[in-house]
Amino acid sequence: TQLLEQSPQFLSIQEGENLTVYCNSSSVFSSLQWYRQEPGEGPVLLVTVVTGGEVKKLKRLTFQFGDARKDSSLHITAAQPGDTGLYLCAGDHSGYALNFGKGTSLLVTP
Amino acid sequence: DAGVTQSPTHLIKTRGQQVTLRCSPISGHKSVSWYQQVLGQGPQFIFQYYEKEERGRGNFPDRFSARQFPNYSSELNVNALLLGDSALYLCASSGTSGRATEQYFGPGTRLTVT
Repeated sequence: TQLLEQSPQFLSIQEGENLTVYCNSSSVFSSLQWYRQEPGEGPVLLVTVVTGGEVKKLKRLTFQFGDARKDSSLHITAAQPGDTGLYLCAGDHSGYALNFGKGTSLLVTP
Repeated sequence: DAGVTQSPTHLIKTRGQQVTLRCSPISGHKSVSWYQQVLGQGPQFIFQYYEKEERGRGNFPDRFSARQFPNYSSELNVNALLLGDSALYLCASSGTSGRATEQYFGPGTRLTVT
């Protein structure tokens, strides 16, 4: 069961553009993680957000956790071809198991 | 330090056969989790083992089983393979607390059932 809804499912943009992807749920999570996955590889952890309203920045990536800890967003500024990949959000409410969304597939063309 | 390692990288099995997948966690990590990722979907939780004990199990049939060894490595076994078991099987290693917030994934084993 996918408790997390990600949007959009697919995104194709040109180098230099900005974008935002969203992760929404009706459930409250104790923490939420964002991962990036390339074809045939495992997900790579980008960030963990824990506190409602928290904002974290990782170079050109900005992550925000909603005040109610039910939703999150990832904003990429000036996207580059190296940002291409599948972006997954995952919520932790059991303490040991992550519930993943289906992901947003991002393609950045030069 | 090495990250999470998994073997084999790829595997092709016939329907009805059995398969064993292996995982070695990051050095010092005591917890291993297994996830199944079907094409076009996010990973789905199968098991977590912490300190050699099963801590949690996802919504998977009894054909799926796992164990963790004293060195914290783990095996995932799947019996009576079905075509629908074709997927990328991911192993994740957790820090000393075993909490989901600290999970780091291996490259996965691509299982194809024909």
